[in-house]
Order: sequence, then structure tokens, then C-alpha cells
Amino acid sequence: GENVEQHPSTLSVQEGDSAVIKCTYSDSASNYFPWYKQELGKGPQLIIDIRSNVGEKKDQRIAVTLNKTAKHFSLHITETQPEDSAVYFCAASVPSYNTDKLIFGTGTRLQVFP
Amino acid sequence: DSGVTQTPKHLITATGQRVTLRCSPRSGDLSVYWYQQSLDQGLQFLIQYYNGEERAKGNILERFSAQQFPDLHSELNLSSLELGDSALYFCASSVGLSGGDQETQYFGPGTRLLVL
Repeated sequence: GENVEQHPSTLSVQEGDSAVIKCTYSDSASNYFPWYKQELGKGPQLIIDIRSNVGEKKDQRIAVTLNKTAKHFSLHITETQPEDSAVYFCAASVPSYNTDKLIFGTGTRLQVFP
Repeated sequence: DSGVTQTPKHLITATGQRVTLRCSPRSGDLSVYWYQQSLDQGLQFLIQYYNGEERAKGNILERFSAQQFPDLHSELNLSSLELGDSALYFCASSVGLSGGDQETQYFGPGTRLLVL
């Protein structure tokens, strides 16, 4: 069935280090993969997304890679800062009857220590 | 600020009661999505509306229902509430129909529901 697995569930890094979060999806028809950042008390905010015709996308300190064959996609944050501390969710689109819907991973709590 | 508004921010009620959560999408967005976020289950897709019509259903209980009005705002109705319904409920909106494929979903700040 529809499933997105996300690892790790928690991640602690030192400021300036890199952080990597990995997701695996099950539906081979998935073709859109957004990443959301959720700060305490707020709604999820899109930080980057990638579509299936692209293998990698970068936006300043964040990048996402996609391996469609393996059904893996990953979020990379370089030069982490304390304000990067939040819960990060990956998602994959799944075709529905007459639209697509997003299936979310279970989230990764990232803590960046000064 | 995503441009999506949700009211109320917090809601405390008792088991067996009925509540209504309200969402106003971003200006120009025709699609509205509802999600439930509980501690142990992450973000669960409940239902999508597009321009007033239901388009997709997720893991939405029969006790829950939603609608989208002509002015595009949406309401999520939760009835016969149980303790396990306590969660954060998010609304998101996107420009068109695809939502999951081609269009970004913008999330509101959520409504925190506590059922006692």
C-alpha cells in the first residue's frame, strides 16, 4: 500500500555540521517529493521539492536527491545552524482517483547544538 | 505566514461532542486539504476539496465530514468525539487540482483539539 518511511526519527548535530534525512516510498507512480519543515507551534512549511524528472536540486544550504530506481530520496542540510532545529517531513505524491495526494513520512526531529 | 488561516487555534471539548474547524485558503487557491497530526502517527491526509467538490479521501473516519463553500473556505466537522481524536488538525491549500503532483501545498497554523 501507500507508505513513506523516514529515518532517522531524531538527529542531533553540532552547528556547522551536515545533516542527512532519508526517505523511502513504495508507490512507483509517485513523481513529486516535497520536504516540509515544522517549527514548534506552527504548520509545516515547504522548504524544497523535487520532481521525478530531476535527480538533484539545491537551494543554498539545502539539497534533495532522488533515486527513482531505488525509490529513495534524501534531504541534505549543510553548515547547519541552530535555527535549522525543527521537525522535518518528507512526502511523496500518490495518484488518487482524479487527483494526487501526499503521503507523509513520520518526521525527523533535528536538533542543532551551538 | 502561508496565507492560509485556521480557526480556532485551540479547542477543548468533551467526549461525545461535535466541533467544527474552519479554514480559509490562500487567495486564488481552489484546493483545500485537511490533515490530522497526532503524536504517534505524523501527518495523515483526511480529505481534499477542489472548487467546492470532494476530490480525494484519505483515512477519514465516518464520524468526520467536510465541505467547501462557494467562497472557497472549508469546514471540517468532527462528531461523537473520542479521546483518540485529540490532535492537531491542519488545513492546506493549493492553486489547482493536482496538489500532490505539480503544485505546492501551503499549510495553515493548525487547530489543536483536546478531547477530555
